[in-house]
Amino acid sequence: GENVGLHLPTLSVQEGDNSIINCAYSNSASDYFIWYKQESGKGPQFIIDIRSNMDKRQGQRVTVLLNKTVKHLSLQIAATQPGDSAVYFCAETWSGGYNKLIFGAGTRLAVHP
Amino acid sequence: KAGVTQTPRYLIKTRGQQVTLSCSPISGHRSVSWYQQTPGQGLQFLFEYFSETQRNKGNFPGRFSGRQFSNSRSEMNVSTLELGDSALYLCASSFTSGNDEQYFGPGTRLTVT
Repeated sequence: GENVGLHLPTLSVQEGDNSIINCAYSNSASDYFIWYKQESGKGPQFIIDIRSNMDKRQGQRVTVLLNKTVKHLSLQIAATQPGDSAVYFCAETWSGGYNKLIFGAGTRLAVHP
Repeated sequence: KAGVTQTPRYLIKTRGQQVTLSCSPISGHRSVSWYQQTPGQGLQFLFEYFSETQRNKGNFPGRFSGRQFSNSRSEMNVSTLELGDSALYLCASSFTSGNDEQYFGPGTRLTVT
């Protein structure tokens, strides 16, 4: 996959545990944030998004938290499964950015049975 | 509903040649963005098109260009290929040009020898 060889931070968890992946964003003007999952050989897959007027948003087994004060974003995955193993990217954009996403470096999630 | 499709999936070119990559967005989506993904630089924004107009451009040399057709399909072209252009090229589509969910295709893996 595209991320082979890239020294990404790795989060190792046991199947069934909860996972928390963190991301610091850079632009104070950013008002829309997205988490993507990328499996080897595939394009990024949309997981969940959040706008700056919210602090928390929940999806199926996933929760995104946004702390604008410290420009921090986190993705929580409940009851992590082997199929969750992938590289996770946060991305930010802003009004007037015309869909230009600024991606974080990514975190590799390894789920062990 | 079909997802974003990209052709070709794999491409090998020689330095100095040019290449054209194609992206068909999800039906009804009018915005197409292009990204380059490399192990060293991660995911970087190239440009975004909406209704056949380039709305935003990343920090890439003029050798990288694109266009969008009336049916929202998009192409990107890289001229005078360099070894450093070897990458996974991803396109993403969305309904609008501003802060909208973006869905990625599987990418075109370009290798320059």
